[in-house]
Amino acid sequence: EADIYQTPRYLVIGTGKKITLECSQTMGHDKMYWYQQDPGMELHLIHYSYGVNSTEKGDLSSESTVSRIRTEHFPLTLESARPSHTSQYLCASSDIILGSPLHFGNGTRLTVT
Amino acid sequence: EDQVTQSPEALRLQEGESSSLNCSYTVSGLRGLFWYRQDPGKGPEFLFTLYSAGEEKEKERLKATLTKKESFLHITAPKPEDSATYLCAVQWNTGNQFYFGTGTSLTVIP
Repeated sequence: EADIYQTPRYLVIGTGKKITLECSQTMGHDKMYWYQQDPGMELHLIHYSYGVNSTEKGDLSSESTVSRIRTEHFPLTLESARPSHTSQYLCASSDIILGSPLHFGNGTRLTVT
Repeated sequence: EDQVTQSPEALRLQEGESSSLNCSYTVSGLRGLFWYRQDPGKGPEFLFTLYSAGEEKEKERLKATLTKKESFLHITAPKPEDSATYLCAVQWNTGNQFYFGTGTSLTVIP
């Protein structure tokens, strides 16, 4: 009963291609986040947004961009995919109130060959 | 320097064998501590939020507790379906970001 949706679930793509990972939420949350997760490692923040037309960079923001034109939609774009981008990408959202938990989508598993 | 540390990295339990997972944090000024469950190939599923020392939350066989420097996730009489990775995250008073531990991989053997 996920309220946050990510597509595609799996993606295999060649080096140098431009890709966009989609994320949509139906909870009306103002805050949205992109995280990267590798096995045995903590989640690393890539980008976040506090509302429409607001975007901020996280720790791993280089080589990717985001946009927030609508509250419910927060796509992540890699301009030129590289093998080092191979990872699990998780989108999350939370209420605007500080201390509110993150709610995650099921992720996109990206493989760059 | 790790701000959030989870232990053990992996835990194998017999069905019905109760145990605890630990999440410790090094910075003061906690706004919230969050526990998540993550199954393979899925995103983390929210379990609990704890805001202040002494607080406790329960859900089925899980009970989360919080002190000033750590949190415990107690699992009572676990079942095989409790097998998953359990993640801990903290949010400080000074910012909006969440800091995650590396998780504890729990396996419950029938």
